[in-house]
Amino acid sequence: AQTVTQSQPEMSVQEAETVTLSCTYDTSESNYYLFWYKQPPSRQMILVIRQEAYKQQNATENRFSVNFQKAAKSFSLKISDSQLGDTAMYFCAFMKATGNQFYFGTGTSLTVIP
Amino acid sequence: EPEVTQTPSHQVTQMGQEVILRCVPISNHLYFYWYRQILGQKVEFLVSFYNNEISEKSEIFDDQFSVERPDGSNFTLKIRSTKLEDSAMYFCASGEGPFYQETQYFGPGTRLLVL
Repeated sequence: AQTVTQSQPEMSVQEAETVTLSCTYDTSESNYYLFWYKQPPSRQMILVIRQEAYKQQNATENRFSVNFQKAAKSFSLKISDSQLGDTAMYFCAFMKATGNQFYFGTGTSLTVIP
Repeated sequence: EPEVTQTPSHQVTQMGQEVILRCVPISNHLYFYWYRQILGQKVEFLVSFYNNEISEKSEIFDDQFSVERPDGSNFTLKIRSTKLEDSAMYFCASGEGPFYQETQYFGPGTRLLVL
């Protein structure tokens, strides 16, 4: 079975500062994919960033980057230069290479403070 | 930008009643999904659907649940006889393909309350 754990239910960060959201997972799969999704208040979940487990290089998307530690089964999200629009619930998710269903964490509610 | 839409946004029903949750996926997408999130818990996979049949389903998706794509645009989730524990946010998602590279686009959700 796959499990995804987000240990920080709520976080806050000052505008323009950097924040890191934690995610750990457990799996016996050797090949898989990891994702961060963002859900702004009353809006759809949208993909922020994804990482292939077979790639050692950490994924980056503009101000968003991940720290993927495969041995530790850790997949944290770093948001640089935080903006008010980054206020949202952030979900970490896992997908097996052989499937297309997500296994989600419980989410971290991030508030960016002006 | 195209979006997945869901109706209704909120639904209240009595235990034992049937409910149908509706989703309009992005028009060129071929893969469709339902997820649910019970308040305070994780978003959980229910079912995936492709080529007019279920391709994968979870343990949660028992005989009281069914899905269909009745008219080529809507994708529905039916709960035949609702239980209190079915109260949750239900998310629809769609994607162009089945692989991780094909981003799943989520709808805003339907909040279902069973009384």
